[in-house]
Amino acid sequence: AQSVTQLGSHVSVSEGALVLLRCNYSSSVPPYLFWYVQYPNQGLQLLLKYTSAATLVKGINGFEAEFKKSETSFHLTKPSAHMSDAAEYFCALNGEGRRALTFGSGTRLQVQP
Amino acid sequence: GEEVAQTPKHLVRGEGQKAKLYCAPIKGHSYVFWYQQVLKNEFKFLISFQNENVFDETGMPKERFSAKCLPNSPCSLEIQATKLEDSAVYFCASSQFTGENTEAFFGQGTRLTVV
Repeated sequence: AQSVTQLGSHVSVSEGALVLLRCNYSSSVPPYLFWYVQYPNQGLQLLLKYTSAATLVKGINGFEAEFKKSETSFHLTKPSAHMSDAAEYFCALNGEGRRALTFGSGTRLQVQP
Repeated sequence: GEEVAQTPKHLVRGEGQKAKLYCAPIKGHSYVFWYQQVLKNEFKFLISFQNENVFDETGMPKERFSAKCLPNSPCSLEIQATKLEDSAVYFCASSQFTGENTEAFFGQGTRLTVV
């Protein structure tokens, strides 16, 4: 069975600081990985996705993620945090023919002025 | 439409009452997914449809939950005899699904409160 683990349910950074949100996965087949963002009382919005074409994936709003097979990781980064980045971030996995996503438990990002 | 439309936005039901949630997927998307997001923010997969056919229902509590996607109608998720533990935000998503890397588009969710 596939699974996603997000280390750190809460991350707090200062405005302008590096953002690093961690995601590790477990899958018996080559995974397809996604990062979604959820703003308060909103649905999920896709930030980026890994499709095996390139290990470094660039997404919207300056976010990027690197797929590392040896570490079974897909960590999300942004060089400089903005106040508007404060939200809940979910790493998700697709594979094994299910079509539905398997989600991590989410990481709440706080950005301090 | 260009977005997944979920109605109602909020729903309050007394314990034991029925709750019915609706989802209109993006036009042209053949897959519809229902997820339940509980207080700890975890997304639990409930059921998926390929057009009007159930594709995967491994997450559905069979006793009180049912779902349909009929042609020319919004999809629906129905909970008979709601329990306090059913309080959650229910999200619908749709996708064209051309491969495992196909993204799903999510609606704004329906917040169900069982009192």
